Amino acid sequence: QQQVKQSPQSLIVQKGGIPIINCAYENTAFDYFPWYQQFPGKGPALLIAIRPDVSEKKEGRFTISFNKSAKQFSLHIMDSQPGDSATYFCAARGGADGLTFGKGTHLIIQP
Amino acid sequence: IAGITQAPTSQILAAGRRMTLRCTQDMRHNAMYWYRQDLGLGLRLIHYSNTAGTTGKGEVPDGYSVSRANTDDFPLTLASAVPSQTSVYFCASSETGYYGYTFGSGTRLTVV
Repeated sequence: QQQVKQSPQSLIVQKGGIPIINCAYENTAFDYFPWYQQFPGKGPALLIAIRPDVSEKKEGRFTISFNKSAKQFSLHIMDSQPGDSATYFCAARGGADGLTFGKGTHLIIQP
Repeated sequence: IAGITQAPTSQILAAGRRMTLRCTQDMRHNAMYWYRQDLGLGLRLIHYSNTAGTTGKGEVPDGYSVSRANTDDFPLTLASAVPSQTSVYFCASSETGYYGYTFGSGTRLTVV
């Protein structure tokens, strides 16, 4: 049973556009929601994270929006650049056994 | 440079053979994890360890074993490899109470 559902699987956006990646969860015990960015041949790297007591968090061009009642959270990339092309994973944590990841979104930013 | 070292970088392994993937961290993180990454399936947890001397099973533990004899090392062993274990394996670590993970660069394993 997948506990974190991520969409879309792939996304193509023009440079300067705002790609939005969505995730939904069911486990109300989750208390930490990070996003990871992965470039080909590399391990995932922490991009930004949010706790459920906050509805929005911004770090540079990256913003997480969090809707606790709907059990959904999303990543927005402002003024997207070709260098943002990567695979993005949302994740959630609610216990001692580590993060549960979404299946990933392959993002392409076209010049 | 502080971080996680995984070895080997890649390996082709005959089915039925035993293989140990190595993972070493120099950040003194208490918690360590092994994930496998497969196209369309994302990252799935195999085993984890919250502190030296303890381990736990993740989502897909069958066919894998781990040990945590000290803080820095967390090897993953495939006792008898099967083709379905073809994957990219990532080791990660985090501090207790701080949930940001540091990932290694991965081991690409092909079982033939």
